[in-house]
Amino acid sequence: QQQVKQSPQSLIVQKGGISIINCAYENTAFDYFPWYQQFPGKGPALLIAIRPDVSEKKEGRFTISFNKSAKQFSLHIMDSQPGDSATYFCAASSGQGAQKLVFGQGTRLTINP
Amino acid sequence: SAVISQKPSRDICQRGTSLTIQCQVDSQVTMMFWYRQQPGQSLTLIATANQGSEATYESGFVIDKFPISRPNLTFSTLTVSNMSPEDSSIYLCSVEDPPKRYTFGSGTRLTVV
Repeated sequence: QQQVKQSPQSLIVQKGGISIINCAYENTAFDYFPWYQQFPGKGPALLIAIRPDVSEKKEGRFTISFNKSAKQFSLHIMDSQPGDSATYFCAASSGQGAQKLVFGQGTRLTINP
Repeated sequence: SAVISQKPSRDICQRGTSLTIQCQVDSQVTMMFWYRQQPGQSLTLIATANQGSEATYESGFVIDKFPISRPNLTFSTLTVSNMSPEDSSIYLCSVEDPPKRYTFGSGTRLTVV
């Protein structure tokens, strides 16, 4: 119930292409779905987040698509650049107040120049 | 959002010894979270630390192994006790500030030899 399943485990995309990472969840109490970007030797940094009352959120080249009925959400990186090469984690949390994040397994993204 | 300073950034320790990791936040926060990230893996919550009370540990983590202190609203420590090579991981602290925005420290990369 608390799991967030992420795929693929690794992804290679050509520069300028679209990178797509998918996540699925079971716990319908989740009400906040962030994506984190992590570079080697660094902590995860919040990239973009969505709540279940919207189906899509876009910030620059990054878009979250959310399908509440399917309990799935995905990250799309448009015009992918070599600087986007990092590990991406989806996550979810529920409720008010300080609540823990449940993380997906992570996707190692490599953008080839 | 909050800024977190975590120390040390890395350490190499002998098995059987203990290491205390410090987490300093630039604003007062109710909860602080400690995560472990094993090599190439996702983040797993160790415990949640609330100022003035004992930390709440997740399944699989115990206070004797990972004692936590939370003396005030801007500081916490995590100790990894009686270390073994299996404890080699990145340890991260995190806070929720503002609500639903979780910020992570840069992590402590621990190698146990």
